[in-house]
Amino acid sequence: DTTVKQNPRYKLARVGKPVNLICSQTMNHDTMYWYQKKPNQAPKLLLFYYDKILNREADTFEKFQSSRPNNSFCSLYIGSAGLEYSAMYLCASSPSAETLYFGSGTRLTVL
Amino acid sequence: KTQVEQSPQSLVVRQGENCVLQCNYSVTPDNHLRWFKQDTGKGLVSLTVLVHENDKTSNGRYSATLDKDAKHSTLHITATLLDDTATYICVVGDRGSALGRLHFGAGTQLIVIP
Repeated sequence: DTTVKQNPRYKLARVGKPVNLICSQTMNHDTMYWYQKKPNQAPKLLLFYYDKILNREADTFEKFQSSRPNNSFCSLYIGSAGLEYSAMYLCASSPSAETLYFGSGTRLTVL
Repeated sequence: KTQVEQSPQSLVVRQGENCVLQCNYSVTPDNHLRWFKQDTGKGLVSLTVLVHENDKTSNGRYSATLDKDAKHSTLHITATLLDDTATYICVVGDRGSALGRLHFGAGTQLIVIP
């Protein structure tokens, strides 16, 4: 199974409330990424895990958290959603730079 | 500053016609370049990856070229189908490991009409 699964497909959240998005893969990939994509913009890397090591981008450091309880799962956590968090969130996994698999994404709408 | 520029921004072709999408980049080092297809509201699907100096790849009706000297890549779609309607995204990786940074273009929106 070479798919990256993301849940849920669509997520509605209230301003100020927490949001937790889930991603899973069974390919035993070392690296899992989370990207944020807004319409007409390139995907923006938020953070990635290499094995158990979390790397967060400097400009989104305080906005997003993540956990990786095992090799297959990776979550993206927003402690207090704001309107600007409305976007498509894409999870990807990779065993190497030249092989990359993306999930179908979770569309988050914050009201 | 955008390091990966794609053109055209959008393109409309008739079913059966061929089309060419362009990607220019300034990423250094440029380890590899990948083209993705994104159907509306869906995730990114990898079409092809180019690694070497003057790579050429072919995947069915999709073919791609890479010129590392010019930092330029093209994606050719032959005999377009209605299902080819999607956004095509060019991505340049700056390392040969999974820890490298990926630089995304904003995409070319292709619309195929009957």
